[in-house]
Parts: sequence; C-alpha cells; structure tokens
Amino acid sequence: SQKIEQNSEALNIQEGKTATLTCNYTNYSPAYLQWYRQDPGRGPVFLLLIRENEKEKRKERLKVTFDTTLKQSLFHITASQPADSATYLCALGGTGANNLFFGTGTRLTVIP
Amino acid sequence: NAGVTQTPKFQVLKTGQSMTLQCAQDMNHEYMSWYRQDPGMGLRLIHYSVGAGITDQGEVPNGYNVSRSTTEDFPLRLLSAAPSQTSVYFCASSLLQGVAGNTIYFGEGSWLTVV
Repeated sequence: SQKIEQNSEALNIQEGKTATLTCNYTNYSPAYLQWYRQDPGRGPVFLLLIRENEKEKRKERLKVTFDTTLKQSLFHITASQPADSATYLCALGGTGANNLFFGTGTRLTVIP
Repeated sequence: NAGVTQTPKFQVLKTGQSMTLQCAQDMNHEYMSWYRQDPGMGLRLIHYSVGAGITDQGEVPNGYNVSRSTTEDFPLRLLSAAPSQTSVYFCASSLLQGVAGNTIYFGEGSWLTVV
C-alpha cells in the first residue's frame, strides 16, 4: 500500500526565513498532489494543487515542487511570518473517487 | 454560504452506545466524505458518496454507517461505539473527487471520546 512521509513532525524557523517542508511517497503514482494547512482544533484548509505533469506551482509566498522521479514534493513558504505557524499536510490523489491519501503532517513554528 | 457544517463539536459516548455525526454542505457539491484523524496517522477515509443515493466504503469503514438521501447532507452513524473509535472526525465535500484534483472543503471537526 502507499506510504507518505512528511520530513519531520515539527520544524522551527526564524521569522523572515524560508520554510521548506518535504513530502516523500512510495508505492503510489499520484495524478496530483495537494497541500493543506491545519490550525489546532480546526479542519484542514486547501492551499495548493500540483499535477503530475507540472514541476512547480506558486501562490503568493507559497511554492510547491513535484518530482515524480524522486517521488517527492517540496513546499516552500518564503518570508515566513508567525501567522504561518500551523500543521501542513500533503495529500496524494489519483483518478478514483476514493483515492486521496494524506500524510501525517509537519508542525511549523515561525519564531518572531 | 456556510461551507461544510458538522455537529456536534464534542461528544462523549459510553461503549456500546450509538450516535450520529451530522454533516451538511451548502455548495451543491456532489462528492462528500468522512475522515478520521488520529495522532501519528494521516487522515483516513471512512466512507464517501459521489451523489445522492450513492455511498461506498473507504479505507476504514468498519463500525460506521452512512446514507446520502440529499445532496446537502451526509450523516455518519456509529452503530455500537468502541474505545477504538475515539478520534477526531472530519466531513469534507468537493465538486467531484478524482477529477483533476478538485479542492476539498473540510468541516471544523467533531471530537468524539468513547469511554
């Protein structure tokens, strides 16, 4: 079965720096990959989607890369702010209605 | 436009009791689903529906039942609660899952404790 690993449970970074989160996967060939933000006590909120034929996607201070050879996605937050502190989830999706698999998340803390 | 609404937010059940978690969406989405989230594990799909009258099992369906009589509502029933069902439950909806990765909208979650 598919396995999804997000680089670490927790990542601390200084305000203004670029945060880089990693999502590695095995035993699966996703058609797309999504990143979500989850705040404590709240539901996940969709951030970005990247398809298998795309290398990079950007949205404001966010950038996602997708390397299907390495089976890895990188999620970057540039000029990080304390308000970016949250847990970030990656999810791999296929073409079926039940084919969306989530990683366990990385808890990012941006230190002022 | 409220999005996805779940009730209750918190619930404590005794082993063997049954209950229903309610979920409603006002975005006219065809696809609705229920996930559970446990520490150290990713969100896991319990049941899903691609439209009114159609439901199917996800990764962890045992002990749960669903129905979809309308486009808006997708309740999750715990038939006989067990401590292993202590978890946070999220309802989600999207236009149509599996098609070019539609955005999924999640509810705020329901915290369930079974004692």
